[in-house]
Amino acid sequence: EPEVTQTPSHQVTQMGQEVILRCVPISNHLYFYWYRQILGQKVEFLVSFYNNEISEKSEIFDDQFSVERPDGSNFTLKIRSTKLEDSAMYFCASSWGRTQYFGPGTRLLVL
Amino acid sequence: ELKVEQNPLFLSMQEGKNYTIYCNYSTTSDRLYWYRQDPGKSLESLFVLLSNGAVKQEGRLMASLDTKARLSTLHITAAVHDLSATYFCAVDMNTGNQFYFGTGTSLTVIP
Repeated sequence: EPEVTQTPSHQVTQMGQEVILRCVPISNHLYFYWYRQILGQKVEFLVSFYNNEISEKSEIFDDQFSVERPDGSNFTLKIRSTKLEDSAMYFCASSWGRTQYFGPGTRLLVL
Repeated sequence: ELKVEQNPLFLSMQEGKNYTIYCNYSTTSDRLYWYRQDPGKSLESLFVLLSNGAVKQEGRLMASLDTKARLSTLHITAAVHDLSATYFCAVDMNTGNQFYFGTGTSLTVIP
């Protein structure tokens, strides 16, 4: 069964560094999403992407964040200058219609 | 903003017992999702409830949706230890974009 994949599974970085989280959505899906989950909290929406542009973003998704679909298969989330509070699990999701399928997540730790 | 609340937040139950988790949401939505999350893992899709009155069952779990009451329930029958996990409900705003997740219910089934 097709699934969403994410790399790396874990990332440790220093505060102020840039990180890029990578996702490969399910191949025939058209909509792509990033969510985050701070440890012990609920899952929060960051951004959705369709037709090569952002279709919706939350207040969390400020100027430090950007997304890109650099080729036909990858979907990336970049955090330009990481802060301690960016430490979280980041989930990528994709969908054809409304049901979203989630990847395994990248656990980001900012020191 | 759509608010999604679950209760209880924490649930400890003995094997063999029944219990219900509740998910209330604040704005009209015709679709509701239930996910399971094991510690440190991704979100596993359990149910997609597509209309008012929808009921779905899988093993010891049964989910229902009442769109008029803006309420979904996840009923656990004769709980077993393997059901220990955190359960999230999620809704979208009929636009097919971001998911709004509930606060999660952490379920522990005690032998």
